[in-house]
Amino acid sequence: DVKVTQSSRYLVKRTGEKVFLECVQDMDHENMFWYRQDPGLGLRLIYFSYDVKMKEKGDIPEGYSVSREKKERFSLILESASTNQTSMYLCASWGAHEYEQYFGPGTRLTVT
Amino acid sequence: GNSVTQMEGPVTLSEEAFLTINCTYTATGYPSLFWYVQYPGEGLQLLLKATKADDKGSNKGFEATYRKETTSFHLEKGSVQVSDSAVYFCALHGSSNTGKLIFGQGTTLQVKP
Repeated sequence: DVKVTQSSRYLVKRTGEKVFLECVQDMDHENMFWYRQDPGLGLRLIYFSYDVKMKEKGDIPEGYSVSREKKERFSLILESASTNQTSMYLCASWGAHEYEQYFGPGTRLTVT
Repeated sequence: GNSVTQMEGPVTLSEEAFLTINCTYTATGYPSLFWYVQYPGEGLQLLLKATKADDKGSNKGFEATYRKETTSFHLEKGSVQVSDSAVYFCALHGSSNTGKLIFGQGTTLQVKP
């Protein structure tokens, strides 16, 4: 079974803090994704990575950065957390052979 | 650009009722189409997919047929159960090989006993 794991299920941070969300997949997938999920807005792509050290902006990259130093790990960074970044964050990897995206369980981030 | 539109929810049904969740898309080329499901407190998981026109995807009693002429991929189930209560997302994968999916806004289904 493909496993995509995320470092935390719930996280509470203060405004202005630097926040790291970690994602690890164990299937040697090349492409990985970070989304945020908000009610009524569906999933919106923040960033994706198609190889180690390679990244591309998604639809809503402002206020976020990413890091992919190893193939299995894709990190989302909130440089200075703000209350409007309170959301559910979902990580996914793309299995080209299986032809589907596999998702982690999500991190519900609250910024106070 | 490519886009996906789903019917607005929430959808509330009684157990054993027939379910349809509408999904239409706009795309260039020949996209692949997916339905993902998100149970409470979990991430998304693939429910079914179709990679070319007239393909029918099916899983767990759910079905959807890729209709190029109407640019649709409606999700159906003949008899829903309480355990089907979840959020359902329609998604599209374009002709590039990036694995990027474009998602609809999601439809919440609540099934009452």
